[in-house]
Amino acid sequence: NAGVMQNPRHLVRRRGQEARLRCSPMKGHSHVYWYRQLPEEGLKFMVYLQKENIIDESGMPKERFSAEFPKEGPSILRIQQVVRGDSAAYFCASSPPWGQGKNEQYFGPGTRLTVT
Amino acid sequence: AQTVTQSQPEMSVQEAETVTLSCTYDTSESDYYLFWYKQPPSRQMILVIRQEAYKQQNATENRFSVNFQKAAKSFSLKISDSQLGDAAMYFCAGRETSGSRLTFGEGTQLTVNP
Repeated sequence: NAGVMQNPRHLVRRRGQEARLRCSPMKGHSHVYWYRQLPEEGLKFMVYLQKENIIDESGMPKERFSAEFPKEGPSILRIQQVVRGDSAAYFCASSPPWGQGKNEQYFGPGTRLTVT
Repeated sequence: AQTVTQSQPEMSVQEAETVTLSCTYDTSESDYYLFWYKQPPSRQMILVIRQEAYKQQNATENRFSVNFQKAAKSFSLKISDSQLGDAAMYFCAGRETSGSRLTFGEGTQLTVNP
């Protein structure tokens, strides 16, 4: 059973460009979470999605950031017009539907975004 | 909302010795989960141990155990017989049962000296 997959592992963007980060949850998992880790800090929650629904986006910056988890395909975190402050590691985690398993979140390896 | 605090930015231990990492938290809810995650240089987040708040018994996973003091809102991680591979950043995290998000502490960088 493959773990949570994220790609790319490393992404370099110039200021003003768009960044698209992808996350494929573990098989059987329908819940996806995105976290951001700034240098020398802990992970901060950004958004929680289920298939085709955003459940909690209270951690997302109000502008330039968006996330989706379509019926088919991976979850996408999109950052428009990137700025240097967006440079961070972005982690995706997934968990099974409520009532199945321990509802633990399993993390992917992260995408390191560098904005030059 | 939950807050998690780790007051030790760095800790070190001799190989084969025991080390304890501290964590305190705050929540208004009675039902929640607490976790310790390990982040080695690869940056992969690895779940080390989990504790349900309603369980009085401290969780144990091989060389890793917790000291869960609910009244004091303290959740420390004890690593016994430390190994070089234990060197990593350790994050304490909590999740309230009513919510889904994990709230992380600032992390403790553990060095294991040979």
